[in-house]
Amino acid sequence: EAGVAQSPRYKIIEKRQSVAFWCNPISGHATLYWYQQILGQGPKLLIQFQNNGVVDDSQLPKDRFSAERLKGVDSTLKIQPAKLEDSAVYLCASSLFGLAGGSTDTQYFGPGTRLTVL
Amino acid sequence: AQSVTQPDIHITVSEGASLELRCNYSYGATPYLFWYVQSPGQGLQLLLKYFSGDTLVQGIKGFEAEFKRSQSSFNLRKPSVHWSDAAEYFCAVGAADSWGKLQFGAGTQVVVTP
Repeated sequence: EAGVAQSPRYKIIEKRQSVAFWCNPISGHATLYWYQQILGQGPKLLIQFQNNGVVDDSQLPKDRFSAERLKGVDSTLKIQPAKLEDSAVYLCASSLFGLAGGSTDTQYFGPGTRLTVL
Repeated sequence: AQSVTQPDIHITVSEGASLELRCNYSYGATPYLFWYVQSPGQGLQLLLKYFSGDTLVQGIKGFEAEFKRSQSSFNLRKPSVHWSDAAEYFCAVGAADSWGKLQFGAGTQVVVTP
């Protein structure tokens, strides 16, 4: 079974530029998550999708971050414009059951995209 | 809201020795608890999880964890460490009233020496 795919793996940009990350979840997984992992910290949830609807985006900085999950499969996370403090690893995860599984649903993580903002 | 504390930022252990990583959580009701491992350049891999029932949970790669409600802890253990266990380990807590939303600790970096 293929895992969660993410691209690119690495990205270096100047501050105030825009950047986009792509995630392809495990086939059939209803729920998709984007996390931000700053160096030395644990992952922090940015946004959670159930199929193509947003379940929780309370920690997403909406003035510069946006995310979408068209057709309930792939997802993109965009930052526009980027700031120095956005330097982090952006992790995508997916889980199978979504609402039916509740908090017991296991999340499977992709390898992440390491973003460096100069 | 739930929170997780991993008191040890960094642990060094000799190959073949035992390993214990500490995790303390804060949550009013019964939490859902997870341990993940992250190797360099890799995503997080689930080691084990606790939802209910037996408080001693077995996971992959020879790891186990014990849920102690009285101490609000969920410590991870391995009897004999292999060099391939060098990685960063994250404890996470979820809750029934915040479906799917995991709160992660800051992680413990494990270094294995020959």
